[in-house]
Amino acid sequence: AQSVTQPDIHITVSEGASLELRCNYSYGATPYLFWYVQSPGQGLQLLLKYFSGDTLVQGIKGFEAEFKRSQSSFNLRKPSVHWSDAAEYFCAVGARSGANNLFFGTGTRLTVIP
Amino acid sequence: DAMVIQNPRYQVTQFGKPVTLSCSQTLNHNVMYWYQQKSSQAPKLLFHYYDKDFNNEADTPDNFQSRRPNTSFCFLDIRSPGLGDAAMYLCATSRVGSTNEKLFFGSGTQLSVL
Repeated sequence: AQSVTQPDIHITVSEGASLELRCNYSYGATPYLFWYVQSPGQGLQLLLKYFSGDTLVQGIKGFEAEFKRSQSSFNLRKPSVHWSDAAEYFCAVGARSGANNLFFGTGTRLTVIP
Repeated sequence: DAMVIQNPRYQVTQFGKPVTLSCSQTLNHNVMYWYQQKSSQAPKLLFHYYDKDFNNEADTPDNFQSRRPNTSFCFLDIRSPGLGDAAMYLCATSRVGSTNEKLFFGSGTQLSVL
């Protein structure tokens, strides 16, 4: 069965500090992997995705993520956090064929302090 | 701009009173999804339409129904809302078979049940 684990419910970082949000997945086959961001009361915006190829993927807003098959992980990183990055971040896995039903982790809430 | 539009942003209904949430898309995507997201939880897929084919998740309550009268529109009907149905409802679309599959989300409808 597929599952996504985001072990950190809430993370607080100082503005300008680096950030890493953890994501581990369990999937029966090689999945598609995604990171979405959600601001309060808003829908989800795609930050980046991994389908194949280079395991280090670049996304919008300066985010990147690295797919590590041996660790079943897809951690999200940003070298320098901005106050506007405060939001909820969701990791998700999806099938490689057919309708792409995404299974989401429970999310990590990011707080940025001045 | 092409997008996924959900109306209304906020919906208040009474316990047991039927309610309909709407979603429209200008992306001409063949798949439309409805997700339920309760407070501080991950989005959970309720069902999706692949073209005209309706696909219900196994654990979606019978209280939830959906209609897709054409490619652009999809509706979520809650026949008898209970207090536990208060949540954010997210509509999403994707184009299965494209080389760059991903889900596009609307901004959501926040449903309150009194």
